Amino acid sequence: QQQVKQSPQSLIVQKGGISIINCAYENTAFDYFPWYQQFPGKGPALLIAIRPDVSEKKEGRFTISFNKSAKQFSLHIMDSQPGDSATYFCAASLYSGGGADGLTFGKGTHLIIQP
Amino acid sequence: IAGITQAPTSQILAAGRRMTLRCTQDMRHNAMYWYRQDLGLGLRLIHYSNTAGTTGKGEVPDGYSVSRANTDDFPLTLASAVPSQTSVYFCASSDWSGANVLTFGAGSRLTVL
Repeated sequence: QQQVKQSPQSLIVQKGGISIINCAYENTAFDYFPWYQQFPGKGPALLIAIRPDVSEKKEGRFTISFNKSAKQFSLHIMDSQPGDSATYFCAASLYSGGGADGLTFGKGTHLIIQP
Repeated sequence: IAGITQAPTSQILAAGRRMTLRCTQDMRHNAMYWYRQDLGLGLRLIHYSNTAGTTGKGEVPDGYSVSRANTDDFPLTLASAVPSQTSVYFCASSDWSGANVLTFGAGSRLTVL
């Protein structure tokens, strides 16, 4: 079964610090790597995504680093804020047309940013 | 506001009862999904539908059924609820014409006693 392994399961970071969440995938056919953010009581929502033709993508304080040869990617949250406290899911999929057959989620990371 | 509507928001159900969770989207997305979320287990796919009229089994389909009579609606039915089906259920959809980005509903919290 296709898997995406996510770590750590939980993470506590001080305000202003850097939060780092790691994911590893198995299926080399995957070509789209999104991160979803979920606040308590809400559904997950797309945060940022990357395709394997670049090694890094940055949107504000959020950066995805991608290592195709190692089949790993990570989310970095710079200057972490209490409002970033949420559960983060990585995923790997086919860019388009794959539907559910080509989409796999990691198990999630519960991030707490302490004031 | 375009998106996904789930109902009910929360429900307590006696074991053995039948329950249908409703999901409606207004984005004309091709694909729809049902996930359950449990602490430590992440999001697990129950059933999916890549297009209206077709459905498929996900990772944890036992005890659940779905139908996709039209593009917008994708109900999830528990024929005879059991306590292990206590969970938060999320409906999602995606559009095949672009990146495989899922839009999620706000979830339905189900407790089976």
